[in-house]
Amino acid sequence: GENVEQHPSTLSVQEGDSAVIKCTYSDSASNYFPWYKQELGKRPQLIIDIRSNVGEKKDQRIAVTLNKTAKHFSLHITETQPEDSAVYFCAATLSNFGNEKLTFGTGTRLTIIP
Amino acid sequence: KAGVTQTPRYLIKTRGQQVTLSCSPISGHRSVSWYQQTPGQGLQFLFEYFSETQRNKGNFPGRFSGRQFSNSRSEMNVSTLELGDSALYLCASSSREVGELFFGEGSRLTVL
Repeated sequence: GENVEQHPSTLSVQEGDSAVIKCTYSDSASNYFPWYKQELGKRPQLIIDIRSNVGEKKDQRIAVTLNKTAKHFSLHITETQPEDSAVYFCAATLSNFGNEKLTFGTGTRLTIIP
Repeated sequence: KAGVTQTPRYLIKTRGQQVTLSCSPISGHRSVSWYQQTPGQGLQFLFEYFSETQRNKGNFPGRFSGRQFSNSRSEMNVSTLELGDSALYLCASSSREVGELFFGEGSRLTVL
């Protein structure tokens, strides 16, 4: 089955700097890669996703890049703000219509230092 | 539109007991998934139901089971509870066409 590794497990950055979180996956058939953000005591929420036919996707200050050959994908957050402090989870799955079975990474706790 | 609702939010059980957790998906969502969240392990997939059928199952023992009703509401059951079953159990629903998972706030289970 799919296996997703995520690094680093913790990350602290100064407010205004950029943060990068990296994930690798094992199943070359996986075609959908979402990122979820979980604030303390709250539910995970989708922040951005990418499908295997796209190499990069941006949404304001966040972007995700995908390298299918190397089987890794990354989350980039620019101009970080205090509200970006949270745990971020990457995930991967083979899905044609939806993400029926997501394999998640173990999470990255991002702390923004004011 | 109401979000995903999970009950109960908190519960404490002792080893050997069983527990049933409930999940009401977003109206119109027919897929319901369950995940176990523990510190250090992230979110681990338990099972997924669509139109009352289990379509996918994770690598959990048979003590973990679930079902989905005709109104898409879902329940999961854990029998013969062990200390290691202490976790936050998250339910998520999705619209097949969208792909995004919408999570509930979870049911936090403590096994003593």
